[in-house]
Amino acid sequence: TQLLEQSPQFLSIQEGENLTVYCNSSSVFSSLQWYRQEPGEGPVLLVTVVTGGEVKKLKRLTFQFGDARKDSSLHITAAQTGDTGLYLCALTGGGNKLTFGTGTQLKVEL
Amino acid sequence: DTAVSQTPKYLVTQMGNDKSIKCEQNLGHDTMYWYKQDSKKFLKIMFSYNNKELIINETVPNRFSPKSPDKAHLNLHINSLELGDSAVYFCASSQPQGDTQYFGPGTRLTVL
Repeated sequence: TQLLEQSPQFLSIQEGENLTVYCNSSSVFSSLQWYRQEPGEGPVLLVTVVTGGEVKKLKRLTFQFGDARKDSSLHITAAQTGDTGLYLCALTGGGNKLTFGTGTQLKVEL
Repeated sequence: DTAVSQTPKYLVTQMGNDKSIKCEQNLGHDTMYWYKQDSKKFLKIMFSYNNKELIINETVPNRFSPKSPDKAHLNLHINSLELGDSAVYFCASSQPQGDTQYFGPGTRLTVL
């Protein structure tokens, strides 16, 4: 079973700061998804990256897929309190099975 | 309209009891899933059904039994509840080959 390690595990920052969270695997993966889970809710898909070196932007969020296809990062510019949540990376396997990473809990304070 | 709904939102029960969690989706998807999120927020798949047929069954104790009366519903029945079953359970749905899974709001189960 492929293990996805995310770092940092916890991150607490002030509004307006920039941050980057990471998702790493010991194995190559074909594609990767990023989800955000807000307190009391289920995860919501943010993006799917499929090509090594790919960069996708979603407003203030920038997602990057490593050239070697073993890592991915999520960068948030000028964080807002609404960005608070649990950020999860995930791999899709056979039968649409999602294997989630260990998660990064982000708290953005005023 | 809620896309994926679960009931109840909270469930508190005693060890040894049997309980069910219901899930319904109105997205017209053929595939539904159950996930378990533990106290450390680790989210892991338990089951998936495609058009009422079991596709994935991840080493889950047989005390857990999913039931799909139709492709819009996937209920989770748990027998002889144990303390370690305390977690948040999420239902999700997608098209069979779709890359987007839509999650319900979760059911927080607490076993005392």
